[in-house]
Amino acid sequence: AQKITQTQPGMFVQEKEAVTLDCTYDTSDPSYGLFWYKQPSSGEMIFLIYQGSYDQQNATEGRYSLNFQKARKSANLVISASQLGDSAMYFCAIGTNAGNMLTFGGGTRLMVKP
Amino acid sequence: NAGVTQTPKFQVLKTGQSMTLQCAQDMNHEYMSWYRQDPGMGLRLIHYSVGAGITDQGEVPNGYNVSRSTTEDFPLRLLSAAPSQTSVYFCASRPGGSNEKLFFGSGTQLSVL
Repeated sequence: AQKITQTQPGMFVQEKEAVTLDCTYDTSDPSYGLFWYKQPSSGEMIFLIYQGSYDQQNATEGRYSLNFQKARKSANLVISASQLGDSAMYFCAIGTNAGNMLTFGGGTRLMVKP
Repeated sequence: NAGVTQTPKFQVLKTGQSMTLQCAQDMNHEYMSWYRQDPGMGLRLIHYSVGAGITDQGEVPNGYNVSRSTTEDFPLRLLSAAPSQTSVYFCASRPGGSNEKLFFGSGTQLSVL
């Protein structure tokens, strides 16, 4: 079975600053993928970024990057130049070849201050 | 392209009532799933399916039933609603493979009185 841990229930960041959201994972499957989703107050789940366990480089998507440290089993999300619209819940998730669906962490609520 | 369509968006039930949450996807995805999200918490897997005719239990299956007669549809049945089932329910689908993201429906807010 796989597990995701997000240790920051809530975080504040000043607008235009960078912020890192923590995520650690546990799995015995050597092949897995790590995902980050954003959930704004409207409730929909928005896919942000993906990192595969065999990917050599950290994933980037616009202002989002994933700081993947395989040995430490961490997959932190970095948001650069925060915007007010980044205020939301952020979920880290893992998918493996053995597991058929994603397992989610408890989430981090990010609040961007003007 | 509609993606994943969930109905209804809101539902209020009385304790003991039964109902079915509908989910359909038009992306020909093999995998479909139902999650529940309680206030301030992450998503927990209820049931999932890896193809038509194949279903399996997730982390919190009690009180729910599913079937998958077609690739497109994956309804979730509440057999006898309880207040503990008050939650937001998400249907999601994905192609097979660990590197494939989940596509989510817009969610169903269910209240059981």
